[in-house]
This record gives sequence, C-alpha cells and structure tokens, in this order.
Amino acid sequence: DAGVIQSPRHEVTEMGQEVTLRCKPISGHDYLFWYRQTMMRGLELLIYFNNNVPIDDSGMPEDRFSAKMPNASFSTLKIQPSEPRDSAVYFCASSLVGSTPEAFFGQGTRLTVV
Amino acid sequence: LAKTTQPISMDSYEGQEVNITCSHNNIATNDYITWYQQFPSQGPRFIIQGYKTKVTNEVASLFIPADRKSSTLSLPRVSLSDTAVYYCLVGGLYNQGGKLIFGQGTELSVKP
Repeated sequence: DAGVIQSPRHEVTEMGQEVTLRCKPISGHDYLFWYRQTMMRGLELLIYFNNNVPIDDSGMPEDRFSAKMPNASFSTLKIQPSEPRDSAVYFCASSLVGSTPEAFFGQGTRLTVV
Repeated sequence: LAKTTQPISMDSYEGQEVNITCSHNNIATNDYITWYQQFPSQGPRFIIQGYKTKVTNEVASLFIPADRKSSTLSLPRVSLSDTAVYYCLVGGLYNQGGKLIFGQGTELSVKP
C-alpha cells in the first residue's frame, strides 16, 4: 500500500476563497483522523471518522470548516471562506483499530492563506 | 483524557542514550501509552506502545513503572537522524477507537 495520500501537498489561496483538502486512507482502515499543525497550537485533532461516520468533530474550529467521508477510500476537509489564520499544515491519518496501535499519517498539506 | 507533561526540549550528542520522560498522573486503567516521532515537514510516525513494565522494539524501549503515572522513552545510541519531536500520548486506539491527542512534544536535538 502507498500509505495515506493527501492532496495537494501545497496550497496557496486568497482570503475568502474555498479550499478543499483531500485524503485517501490506507485500504481497509476503519478510522480516519484530520489534524492541523501550527507553531503556536501544535498538533490539533479536528475530527475523526469510524467506518465513514463522523464520531467527534469537537476540534473543528468554526462553522467555516467541514469534513466529509463519502466512502471508505476518500475524505475531504473544506474551509469556506478561508482566512489567513487558517494557514497551517493539515494532516490526515488512518488506522485499523484492534489490529495495530499505530495511526499512519500522510505527508500533510501546507495551506497558506494570503 | 489523561494530560501528559514532557520536557519541551532536550539536547544530546551522537552515540549517547537519550531518555525522555512523560508524566501522566491521571492515566486511566485501560489507557495505553504510545510514543510518536515527527521529523520536520513530515507527519508523526508511531514508535512504540506499552501498558506496563518494559517494551522493546528495534527502535526504542519504553519503561513504565508499576503506578503507570509516568513513562520513559529510551533511544539507544542516537544519531543525527534522530533529531525530531517526540510525542507521548495516553489513551489511544485500543480504547474503543479513542482519540489520539498530541501534547506539545519534546524537541530532541542531536549534535555531532
């Protein structure tokens, strides 16, 4: 397996624009996590899914953020409208609970909102 | 979720053994202790997990005392490539799909 795949790797957008980040988890994994990382706040859990169902979205900062998982092989994190303070690295991770204690992270998407 | 406390930064030299201690006074009975490593511009990577006593793999050892209120990650003979941020997590995936909550981590700098 190629691991967790995120796209794009880098995104630069203007304030007010809609941004969509994409994630393809490892095949067969039943948990998917979205994280945001900044120097100031560290690595924050935004939302996670189990079997495509959102379990906990308490980390989603505002209504401008939304996440979906339409099927087991794809998830999106959308920011609309984007703001400069959303600039961060966004990571997606997946895991198969009960089989291994590991969560596997993607390479991340570096988002810059100008 | 149990709160974790670990040093913000540590310095070491190549070839030395590095021990990073994490405090987790409020650990629950069914919580596991997991350590992740993160290199710059990469996502975190699982290193090791344990419940009690000692766990060892090809990368590190994890020491957990009987009261489980702390744990120590031991990296034998570090090299420059071990420079990274190390995170201690309590709870985790074995707890019925529990959250993975990362604290501030320990930034380890290995010098030649």
